[in-house]
Amino acid sequence: DVKVTQSSRYLVKRTGEKVFLECVQDMDHENMFWYRQDPGLGLRLIYFSYDVKMKEKGDIPEGYSVSREKKERFSLILESASTNQTSMYLCASSFPGLYGYTFGSGTRLTVV
Amino acid sequence: EDKVVQSPLSLVVHEGDTVTLNCSYEVTNFRSLLWYKQEKKAPTFLFMLTSSGIEKKSGRLSSILDKKELFSILNITATQTGDSAVYLCAVEAPGGSEKLVFGKGTKLTVNP
Repeated sequence: DVKVTQSSRYLVKRTGEKVFLECVQDMDHENMFWYRQDPGLGLRLIYFSYDVKMKEKGDIPEGYSVSREKKERFSLILESASTNQTSMYLCASSFPGLYGYTFGSGTRLTVV
Repeated sequence: EDKVVQSPLSLVVHEGDTVTLNCSYEVTNFRSLLWYKQEKKAPTFLFMLTSSGIEKKSGRLSSILDKKELFSILNITATQTGDSAVYLCAVEAPGGSEKLVFGKGTKLTVNP
């Protein structure tokens, strides 16, 4: 059974902390994505990556960075967490040419 | 700017009712439209539509695309409480980048 695994389901962090959200997929997918999901706003793309060490900004990259050192792992980094980054974070992956993401179960991050 | 608009934003029905969820879009170089169902965690794939007028069907769910009028509908017949979820519509962003642009979702509640 193919999987996208996000390391934490729930996280509580303090304002100003550096936060790492990890995502691992076992499907050998080239494409990986980070979205955040907020009530009334839907899913918004933060960053995505087409290949190892490649990254591109999505619609709302401010306050975030990413790392993709290995094909199967895509990390989202909050350099200095703020309360407006409290959200559900969803990781997804896809294979080029096959339009359909496989999503992880999400990480609900609360910044206090 | 690419846009995906879903309506209604929320809907409450009784078991056995039939519902129609709407998705309209404005995207350059359209390639595909996808429907997802999201319960408590990861969105799960329902349908991908690329051609007008061809209905996709899975059990009590069906969907169709109209590329001339730029919309899609998702129908659910004989609804059950297990159909309660947020239904997400997404289209591929331009340039073949395989990023998906999501609507805000329709929250469906099916009461017994």
